[in-house]
Amino acid sequence: NAGVTQTPKFQVLKTGQSMTLQCAQDMNHNSMYWYRQDPGMGLRLIYYSASEGTTDKGEVPNGYNVSRLNKREFSLRLESAAPSQTSVYFCASSTGTSEFPGEQYFGPGTRLTVT
Amino acid sequence: GNSVTQMEGPVTLSEEAFLTINCTYTATGYPSLFWYVQYPGEGLQLLLKATKADDKGSNKGFEATYRKETTSFHLEKGSVQVSDSAVYFCALRDSSYKLIFGSGTRLLVRP
Repeated sequence: NAGVTQTPKFQVLKTGQSMTLQCAQDMNHNSMYWYRQDPGMGLRLIYYSASEGTTDKGEVPNGYNVSRLNKREFSLRLESAAPSQTSVYFCASSTGTSEFPGEQYFGPGTRLTVT
Repeated sequence: GNSVTQMEGPVTLSEEAFLTINCTYTATGYPSLFWYVQYPGEGLQLLLKATKADDKGSNKGFEATYRKETTSFHLEKGSVQVSDSAVYFCALRDSSYKLIFGSGTRLLVRP
């Protein structure tokens, strides 16, 4: 049971380049989340998906898009990377729904640097 | 809006010392409260939780009590080990699915 997996682990981009961060979970969870972690700021929610086929904005969605490809996979896309998007990105998943959420399980993270 | 405030780190202790990491929150209603731990190079793991006032969450020797009167959820451990060195995050979940995290407190335990 792998839990939540993320690829890649590390990435360096130049300003203006695009990339997609991949996330998959094998726990049959309904809900999935993307967070970014910056020094001294804890984790902030970028986007979430309460169920397959639905997505919604979190606290810091600007500059990002997401796709809930199926129940297992939830990808995060940076269309035109900026240095302000240098961060560690975490994917998470949970049982339940937005009304009755369960515990969130986190992936190992992707460290992204934009130069 | 809802928020979580944690003591700034790093906290440096000798092995077997007593640990307290302070956490206070601001929220409407009756949030659930959590402590997550992040070991170097890894994602966050749920350490313990409490869902209502006066509940005590506990796990791996760590404890925290949900104090509504002081809006606090301080993390304690009686005797820390080197393996407890990590970053600890306090978080709350309000009436929705969203988790709101504190800024994290780094703990360094020396042998």
